[in-house]
Amino acid sequence: QKEVEQNSGPLSVPEGAIASLNCTYSDRGSQSFFWYRQYSGKSPELIMSIYSNGDKEDGRFTAQLNKASQYVSLLIRDSQPSDSATYLCAGSGGTSYGKLTFGQGTILTVHP
Amino acid sequence: GAGVSQSPSNKVTEKGKDVELRCDPISGHTALYWYRQSLGQGLEFLIYFQGNSAPDKSGLPSDRFSAERTGGSVSTLTIQRTQQEDSAVYLCASSLRVGQPGGYTFGSGTRLTVV
Repeated sequence: QKEVEQNSGPLSVPEGAIASLNCTYSDRGSQSFFWYRQYSGKSPELIMSIYSNGDKEDGRFTAQLNKASQYVSLLIRDSQPSDSATYLCAGSGGTSYGKLTFGQGTILTVHP
Repeated sequence: GAGVSQSPSNKVTEKGKDVELRCDPISGHTALYWYRQSLGQGLEFLIYFQGNSAPDKSGLPSDRFSAERTGGSVSTLTIQRTQQEDSAVYLCASSLRVGQPGGYTFGSGTRLTVV
C-alpha cells in the first residue's frame, strides 16, 4: 500500500463547477498535509497546507483534513480552465518526518 | 537567490556515463531535498540534507546515486553508470528547515534523458 494515495482521475469538470480532489494516507503519525499544483512541464507549486482537522479556505480553494479517517481533500470552487493541471497531495511527519511523501497526482481538466 | 536554481535544465547522456546535477537553494534555507519524477508519475523522494546533520539517504534507489552538499548551500546529485531507467526529471527543493510548516519551494528541475 502506498503511503499517500490519490483518486486516480483524470478528472474533468465544466468551467464554473466544483472540482473535488481526494487523498488518503496510511501513516497515522503524519501531521502536515499539502496540496501542490503542477502545470505540464513545470515544477510543483504549493497552493494549500493544512495541519489540523477541519476545513481551511483560501480564495476558491478549500482543503479538508480528517485525521480519524486519514483523509485529505481539496475543493476548487468556480473552476477555471487555468486550474487545469496535475494536483499532488503530500504528507509529512510520522515515518515521513523531514520529507514530504507525495501521491501519484490527479490530472484535472476544466473545460469551457 | 530569489528561488531554487537547478542546472542544467536538460541533460542527454549515453548509457553508462556519469552525470552531475546541481542545485542552489534559496539563501538561508537550511534544508535541501532531491526528488525525481518519472513521466506521468508522482514525486519520488531521494535524499535530504538539514544543516550539518547526516543526510537522510533512505530514498536513493541504488549505490549508483550519491549526493553532497558543500558549505550548507549548493548540492550536487551524482548518478554513476547511468541506465535508461534513470531518465526522469530531477527536482530540488529547499525550506527554512526540516519539518517547517508550509512545504517546500521547488526548482525548475533537470530533465535527464539516458540514451
